[in-house]
Amino acid sequence: KAGVTQTPRYLIKTRGQQVTLSCSPISGHRSVSWYQQTPGQGLQFLFEYFSETQRNKGNFPGRFSGRQFSNSRSEMNVSTLELGDSALYLCASSLTGRSGANVLTFGAGSRLTVL
Amino acid sequence: QKEVEQDPGPLSVPEGAIVSLNCTYSNSAFQYFMWYRQYSRKGPELLMYTYSSGNKEDGRFTAQVDKSSKYISLFIRDSQPSDSATYLCAMSNNNDMRFGAGTRLTVKP
Repeated sequence: KAGVTQTPRYLIKTRGQQVTLSCSPISGHRSVSWYQQTPGQGLQFLFEYFSETQRNKGNFPGRFSGRQFSNSRSEMNVSTLELGDSALYLCASSLTGRSGANVLTFGAGSRLTVL
Repeated sequence: QKEVEQDPGPLSVPEGAIVSLNCTYSNSAFQYFMWYRQYSRKGPELLMYTYSSGNKEDGRFTAQVDKSSKYISLFIRDSQPSDSATYLCAMSNNNDMRFGAGTRLTVKP
């Protein structure tokens, strides 16, 4: 059974640019959550998608956006990149959500460096 | 006050030591408790999963939940260099899931 696949694994951008990250969840999982991980802040929740609808959103500016497709694959976009956006972006999938008895399965992450 | 508090460490122990990792939380509605292990340059992977209070053992790992104190622990017995990783606690209720900041553990041969 394939795990959660994130692409690209590493990328370098400059301030002001935008970036799109992709996540393919485990087959059959309908929920995809995105997290930002930095050494100082730990795992910060960005948003969750379920059946192509954003179900929850964390406390991030509007520059951070996402979407989910009918096959449950998800993308997140960050526009007008800032130095502080440098982080590991993690995608996690689960059967029905990031609450209750659900278990999240994480991808390996996309490491973004903003210069 | 953060909803989930976890000592970030770093924690360094000799091989064979018993390791204790801990988290405290403030939301009494949390019912499901997890520990994830994250190796360098990898995503977190589920290590232990428990429901409500009590202990759960899996090999060298024991997860302990004390809901009355809002305190969870992960014990690693006979620690190995391969246990060197960041350990994140996580907890959820019917509406939400929260993570601790993670504790970086190094087990020295």
